[in-house]
Amino acid sequence: AQKITQTQPGMFVQEKEAVTLDCTYDTSDPSYGLFWYKQPSSGEMIFLIYQGSYDQQNATEGRYSLNFQKARKSANLVISASQLGDSAMYFCAMRGRNSGNTPLVFGKGTRLSVIA
Amino acid sequence: DARVTQTPRHKVTEMGQEVTMRCQPILGHNTVFWYRQTMMQGLELLAYFRNRAPLDDSGMPKDRFSAEMPDATLATLKIQPSEPRDSAVYFCASGLVLRGGWSGGSGNTIYFGEGSWLTVV
Repeated sequence: AQKITQTQPGMFVQEKEAVTLDCTYDTSDPSYGLFWYKQPSSGEMIFLIYQGSYDQQNATEGRYSLNFQKARKSANLVISASQLGDSAMYFCAMRGRNSGNTPLVFGKGTRLSVIA
Repeated sequence: DARVTQTPRHKVTEMGQEVTMRCQPILGHNTVFWYRQTMMQGLELLAYFRNRAPLDDSGMPKDRFSAEMPDATLATLKIQPSEPRDSAVYFCASGLVLRGGWSGGSGNTIYFGEGSWLTVV
């Protein structure tokens, strides 16, 4: 079974500062994928970034980067130069890759508030 | 711009009524998921399909919920009869799984629809 833990229910960050959202995971799959989604107040789930367990480099997508530490089973999301529009819920998720029948398993989420 | 389309976006209904939610997955995606989101439980997987065949619906209350894929372009989630505790946001999501497992890279991303906000009074 797979499990995602997000220990920060809420976070505050000053505009233009960087912020790290924590995510730890547990799985017995030898190969897996890790995802971050953003859910603004409008409710849609927006894909942000993906990291494969065998990827040699940490994933980056614009201002988003994933700090992947495989030995520690952590996949923290780093948002650089925070903007007011970054205020939202952020969900970490994972799925087993070799198990073709596994869906995404989500954490409880972290609510990020960006302060002007 | 490919996207998952869900209808209705918002639904208010009385307890006991039937509710049907519809989803059009992204063209070419062979895997469709139904998730439910509540404040208390977060995001829960209700059911999912691969090539229109149900793979897992263990997250669904069987006595009142049913999920089907009549064809590759339509997935439905039905609640009959609805109850106030069913009030939630229901998300449909789709992705592509190749033979042997998910495709590599971010191509194996699961994309979500905008959700159907259900209120049962």
